[in-house]
Amino acid sequence: DIQMTQSPSTLSASVGDRVTITCRASQSISSWLAWFQQKPGKAPNLLISKASTLQSGVPSRFSGSGSGTEFTLTISSLQPDDFATYYCQQYSSASPTFGQGTKVEVK
Amino acid sequence: EVQLLESGGGLVPPGGSLRLSCAASGFTFSTYAMSWVRQTPGKGLEWVSSISGSGDGTTYADSMKGRVSISRDNSKNTLFLQMDSLRAEDTAVYYCAKSDCSPIGCKLLPIWGQGTMVTVSS
Repeated sequence: DIQMTQSPSTLSASVGDRVTITCRASQSISSWLAWFQQKPGKAPNLLISKASTLQSGVPSRFSGSGSGTEFTLTISSLQPDDFATYYCQQYSSASPTFGQGTKVEVK
Repeated sequence: EVQLLESGGGLVPPGGSLRLSCAASGFTFSTYAMSWVRQTPGKGLEWVSSISGSGDGTTYADSMKGRVSISRDNSKNTLFLQMDSLRAEDTAVYYCAKSDCSPIGCKLLPIWGQGTMVTVSS
């Protein structure tokens, strides 16, 4: 299976901060990468597909970049609603895999 | 509105069986592949199984291969996951998720249900 490694595991930030989360794949996945946001007790919500395509309704402060094995999710100006856990997921292989998650918490 | 509603979770002893269901609405069910994904505090999100829109293709995670079977009833817009020989480490929230296309290779999951809790314990 393709291993997905996110960093950091936890990120402490304040409203208005620029936040960057990194996701690395154990082998090339081209641009077949998705980013999800999850809040406690809720299902994951798809933010970005194909590494950089913002889903409809997702605020433009979210952006994704990267290809091959290294990817980033950036929140340009953190808002109160953005405190959550973020996961990357590769869907390049027959067995999709997720990163372990990055919790964005209040500093 | 696209909706997925899981059911069938609960408490089951080790070695027991459980059948999860996912009722879909708001889209043409038979034209989309569907998946099951589980989430545990320790291991995070883990893909379990997928099935093509027509139901003729299935894939399974190695961790559950041989113990689970995915199926669908396109006439009833319902997805199933039959789980046997359950272990304590199968304790998790199980989500059904809709893919963005029909073939078995479609593994982008834009829509998820709210999940159903499975607890394996004596």
